[in-house]
Amino acid sequence: AQSVSQHNHHVILSEAASLELGCNYSYGGTVNLFWYVQYPGQHLQLLLKYFSGDPLVKGIKGFEAEFIKSKFSFNLRKPSVQWSDTAEYFCAVGNTGTASKLTFGTGTRLQVTL
Amino acid sequence: GAVVSQHPSRVICKSGTSVKIECRSLDFQATTMFWYRQFPKKSLMLMATSNEGSKATYEQGVEKDKFLINHASLTLSTLTVTSAHPEDSSFYICSARGPGINSPLHFGNGTRLTVT
Repeated sequence: AQSVSQHNHHVILSEAASLELGCNYSYGGTVNLFWYVQYPGQHLQLLLKYFSGDPLVKGIKGFEAEFIKSKFSFNLRKPSVQWSDTAEYFCAVGNTGTASKLTFGTGTRLQVTL
Repeated sequence: GAVVSQHPSRVICKSGTSVKIECRSLDFQATTMFWYRQFPKKSLMLMATSNEGSKATYEQGVEKDKFLINHASLTLSTLTVTSAHPEDSSFYICSARGPGINSPLHFGNGTRLTVT
């Protein structure tokens, strides 16, 4: 069975600070990796995904994530956060070939202060 | 972009009654829908996977007789919580994807169920 760990439960940053949210997964096979964002009162939205190829993935709104296979990690980064980035961020892992059946991490609540 | 509509957004019911939650894909055909449950400060837990026209596949530990899932059309899946109890109070979220193994997932806004 696969599992996903997000070690940061609540992160508070000032605007313009750099962000890195950790995500580690456990699974021995080939995986698809995702970061989702949930803004207050809204549904989950895809930020970025990794299926194969370049392990550095660019997403929307200036976010990027790097897949490091040897560390089973897929950390999310943004060089300079904005107040509007305040949201809950979920890392998710899916097996290749299982029709998007995802395992989610517990989420990280990001609070950006002005 | 693709939209998934989930209804109702909030529901309060009495213990012992049943509640139906609907999940609709508004502008695409959802061959597969997923139902998740989210506990406070916990991750989304996959409850079941439903494919249009076939029986849902439930995850281990999820009672199929309690959480009835129907995916009768390519745009609608329903989750019925039968004989609800206070411990069923939770946030339920559906997601849907179109055909193709790498089709993106689209999520509904979720349903907050409170059983009194």
